[in-house]
Amino acid sequence: GAVVSQHPSWVICKSGTSVKIECRSLDFQATTMFWYRQFPKQSLMLMATSNEGSKATYEQGVEKDKFLINHASLTLSTLTVTSAHPEDSSFYICSARKPGRDNEQFFGPGTRLTVL
Amino acid sequence: TQLLEQSPQFLSIQEGENLTVYCNSSSVFSSLQWYRQEPGEGPVLLVTVVTGGEVKKLKRLTFQFGDARKDSSLHITAAQPGDTGLYLCARGSQGNLIFGKGTKLSVKP
Repeated sequence: GAVVSQHPSWVICKSGTSVKIECRSLDFQATTMFWYRQFPKQSLMLMATSNEGSKATYEQGVEKDKFLINHASLTLSTLTVTSAHPEDSSFYICSARKPGRDNEQFFGPGTRLTVL
Repeated sequence: TQLLEQSPQFLSIQEGENLTVYCNSSSVFSSLQWYRQEPGEGPVLLVTVVTGGEVKKLKRLTFQFGDARKDSSLHITAAQPGDTGLYLCARGSQGNLIFGKGTKLSVKP
């Protein structure tokens, strides 16, 4: 199997605070993980590619200083939303690429962030 | 651009009916994946198609990859309420996945 977990599954925070979301590959090592954002009734939009041991690659329009990504080990990537604003409220989903499979990514269950 | 267009955007049917959803692109892609996403959860991979003309079956779901590798379809036979969800197609691009906007399927008992 290929299981990816996320923590927390939901979080509510006040404007101006920072929130950290964890993404773990439980039964495989992932040198590459991805972070997506999904607004209601919309598809997944790639935010950034997280590479183990190196800097993340951000998609156009995504602020790297606001969405801090750390991929310190082969099974863990974290996304920190800094100085959160209500417009950051969204469903954040991570995925991990399993070695040996061509572009097959396995997704976490998502984290619902609500910023008050 | 190498966008994926999915149709229909919404589909509401009765249990037992058949349906087909489509994923189209103006460019050729080497592989395409279909996912199903239920509300409040992450997408779950259903199938990967690689070869032009390929047909794959997963129980009541039949996936087809166009001969020219520019389009794909998902056919569900005798839909059940458990099939309700957002069906997403995605293609690989420089190591990333590009998703279509999805087809939101609702199967009513």
